[in-house]
Amino acid sequence: AQRVTQPEKLLSVFKGAPVELKCNYSYSGSPELFWYVQYSRQRLQLLLRHISRESIKGFTADLNKGETSFHLKKPFAQEEDSAMYYCALKAQGPLSSGSARQLTFGSGTQLTVLP
Amino acid sequence: DTEVTQTPKHLVMGMTNKKSLKCEQHMGHRAMYWYKQKAKKPPELMFVYSYEKLSINESVPSRFSPECPNSSLLNLHLHALQPEDSALYLCASSQGVNYGYTFGSGTRLTVV
Repeated sequence: AQRVTQPEKLLSVFKGAPVELKCNYSYSGSPELFWYVQYSRQRLQLLLRHISRESIKGFTADLNKGETSFHLKKPFAQEEDSAMYYCALKAQGPLSSGSARQLTFGSGTQLTVLP
Repeated sequence: DTEVTQTPKHLVMGMTNKKSLKCEQHMGHRAMYWYKQKAKKPPELMFVYSYEKLSINESVPSRFSPECPNSSLLNLHLHALQPEDSALYLCASSQGVNYGYTFGSGTRLTVV
């Protein structure tokens, strides 16, 4: 079974400070990991996926298989980054599911960037 | 069209009512999902459809009945719900193995 752990429910940083949102996972297979963001009163949006190794809105995340982590980082936080962030793992489903793979979410970290 | 559209946005229903939630996407995604999200909690998977066939049912009570009439539509039929079923119901779709989900904005359901 897969598990995603986000140890911090709440995280506050000042504008311009670096921010790191922690995510650890437990999964026996080869993981596919994602970060989702949910701004106040908006839909859940995909922020990053590990396989693309991209930087979105200044955020990056590196998969560390040795430490089973996928921490989200940004060198200089902005007030508009304030939101709920979810780390998620896509598991290998039954063969019948094809590309429909179950996405399991961590409990989320509420990031507040203070002025 | 790069969105997942859910209707209605809000729904209030009594415990004896029958209602349906609708979800639509025109991105050609062949996997669609229903999630339930309580306030300040992560989404919890309910159902997974792959090529219009139900492939995962996460032990959801039978008062929730999913339906996938075609590759663009996903319904969730509700009957005899309980107040604890009040939540945000999210629909999502995905393109393939290495892609994330695209989520709809959800239906905020209140059971009275």
